[in-house]
Amino acid sequence: GAVVSQHPSWVICKSGTSVKIECRSLDFQATTMFWYRQFPKQSLMLMATSNEGSKATYEQGVEKDKFLINHASLTLSTLTVTSAHPEDSSFYICSARPDQFSPLHFGNGTRLTVT
Amino acid sequence: AQKVTQAQTEISVVEKEDVTLDCVYETRDTTYYLFWYKQPPSGELVFLIRRNSFDEQNEISGRYSWNFQKSTSSFNFTITASQVVDSAVYFCALRMNRDDKIIFGKGTRLHILP
Repeated sequence: GAVVSQHPSWVICKSGTSVKIECRSLDFQATTMFWYRQFPKQSLMLMATSNEGSKATYEQGVEKDKFLINHASLTLSTLTVTSAHPEDSSFYICSARPDQFSPLHFGNGTRLTVT
Repeated sequence: AQKVTQAQTEISVVEKEDVTLDCVYETRDTTYYLFWYKQPPSGELVFLIRRNSFDEQNEISGRYSWNFQKSTSSFNFTITASQVVDSAVYFCALRMNRDDKIIFGKGTRLHILP
């Protein structure tokens, strides 16, 4: 089945630094990938839609300059949290699907802790 | 507006009991998809099922079954003979056919007690 790999699984960084999270589709190509954020005991909130070869589409209230998304190839999207602050600490999870007829498959998520 | 409501925040049952997780959705679209995902303590989201709006047939997969009723805009999930390994957060989700966005409910945390 379709596999989405996310790296790293967890990261701890200091306030003010930037963190890059990678999302890879391992056995299929994905022109579109999705980035979600999940706070503890909360639901998943869509942050942005990553489009291969073009700009990402951000959801309302998500700062595009803070959460930089790059979808440089059909199998890789990256999310960079710039100048991270403690309030950015969260569980970030990406998803993708092989085609419009398939369900979304999710990566294992990245737990970010900003100290 | 599209919305998914999972009214049960947390449920605890004793192992081997049956349990039903409720999901009610709102959409004005006629073509849409409904999903259930499982999120165990490790965090990953596991896809369980997808139904499209034109297929109201109930589905059974082992101990899992789903009841889709358009008349009440509900897509409920039942686990029979629950096991401790079923303990997780379960999310119901909705996607319209016109775009790729998935809208998640707030999730139901299920505890299966030994």
